[in-house]
Amino acid sequence: DARVTQTPRHKVTEMGQEVTMRCQPILGHNTVFWYRQTMMQGLELLAYFRNRAPLDDSGMPKDRFSAEMPDATLATLKIQPSEPRDSAVYFCASGLDRSYGYTFGSGTRLTVV
Amino acid sequence: AQSVTQLGSHVSVSEGALVLLRCNYSSSVPPYLFWYVQYPNQGLQLLLKYTTGATLVKGINGFEAEFKKSETSFHLTKPSAHMSDAAEYFCAVSDRNDMRFGAGTRLTVKP
Repeated sequence: DARVTQTPRHKVTEMGQEVTMRCQPILGHNTVFWYRQTMMQGLELLAYFRNRAPLDDSGMPKDRFSAEMPDATLATLKIQPSEPRDSAVYFCASGLDRSYGYTFGSGTRLTVV
Repeated sequence: AQSVTQLGSHVSVSEGALVLLRCNYSSSVPPYLFWYVQYPNQGLQLLLKYTTGATLVKGINGFEAEFKKSETSFHLTKPSAHMSDAAEYFCAVSDRNDMRFGAGTRLTVKP
């Protein structure tokens, strides 16, 4: 089965450090989402792309978060500088369009100490 | 703006009993609706979706959901719960390009 690959699966970092999370969408999928999951806030939409162009990143704290798609096989989410409140599981999802639903990766569990 | 409300953060049923997880949505345009399931330490898996056409949709693992426009609801049901159904379930709505989730309902299945 085709799958969305996220790396790393786990990341522990110190406050103030830069964190980069990567996502390899399913080949041929042109839509990529980034979500953050916490106990308190649930699943929050951070940003999404279509055909590598950012459509909406209003869910991201702009001062420290950035999301890019350098090519069709890679999406990145960067936090600089990281803070303890960024600790969460970050999910990437990809798809063709909403008619088909979207496939999620296994997530990156980030802990900022 | 689109949004989803899932009634009941925790639902507990006995094995073999009916499962009913409630979802209400708001959307300014005809919505596409989804149910996802999440097992511990895993990503979300698509259970079923409503796009257009038949309002009763069947998904994997014996689940189904009915889209009721008049009630703005998309409740998830399963006639007989199995222990393996214990997980967190998320309802989601997409009205154009993005997809927004409800807060989730944790389903516990008692032996």
